[in-house]
Amino acid sequence: GAGVSQSPRYKVAKRGQDVALRCDPISGHVSLFWYQQALGQGPEFLTYFQNEAQLDKSGLPSDRFFAERPEGSVSTLKIQRTQQEDSAVYLCASSPGPGSYGYTFGSGTRLTVV
Amino acid sequence: DQQVKQNSPSLSVQEGRISILNCDYTNSMFDYFLWYKKYPAEGPTFLISISSIKDKNEDGRFTVFLNKSAKHLSLHIVPSQPGDSAVYFCAAFNTDKLIFGTGTRLQVFP
Repeated sequence: GAGVSQSPRYKVAKRGQDVALRCDPISGHVSLFWYQQALGQGPEFLTYFQNEAQLDKSGLPSDRFFAERPEGSVSTLKIQRTQQEDSAVYLCASSPGPGSYGYTFGSGTRLTVV
Repeated sequence: DQQVKQNSPSLSVQEGRISILNCDYTNSMFDYFLWYKKYPAEGPTFLISISSIKDKNEDGRFTVFLNKSAKHLSLHIVPSQPGDSAVYFCAAFNTDKLIFGTGTRLQVFP
């Protein structure tokens, strides 16, 4: 597609529920990133894929967070046993390849945990 | 440990005047610096960048200045327009990821 597509746009989850957020990057983009943006803050790095390989997951806040990109295209960020502090906008970005700082961001998924 | 800092959470400027947004960083190894603009309910969009070997980059109404000795960069918008009202994020690129500041909300009033 022409841009980075994220779904759902909004998600309300009850505390303890598992959620899955989807990212469809720009076709052909090798690099894919997940960021978390809390209210009033800047995007915080979560994890990075180069094709299907997860090269950096240093930003994942806990082992409840898991990301995958099995075929090097679509990626899913999964959060298990959601907690209120997980409420944030989750942004996905893609770029042509390693060393490219030309990220294109999706519109994000706003997760609210109640 | 915040490597990229934007100390002004908001800025209000009259239409036609200059807007100056500031950013400080701590890591001298950053390769590129970027400014992103974000409207509500949208993802950040790239605005302008500067290489760490340059001290100025200009693109239309937007100019970014880099002062490496002070570890400081700024974005100048002139003349400011109401459509420039948004949140502006400074970001630094190192190896394989962007590190963002906390953002500055710019409001341009008529």
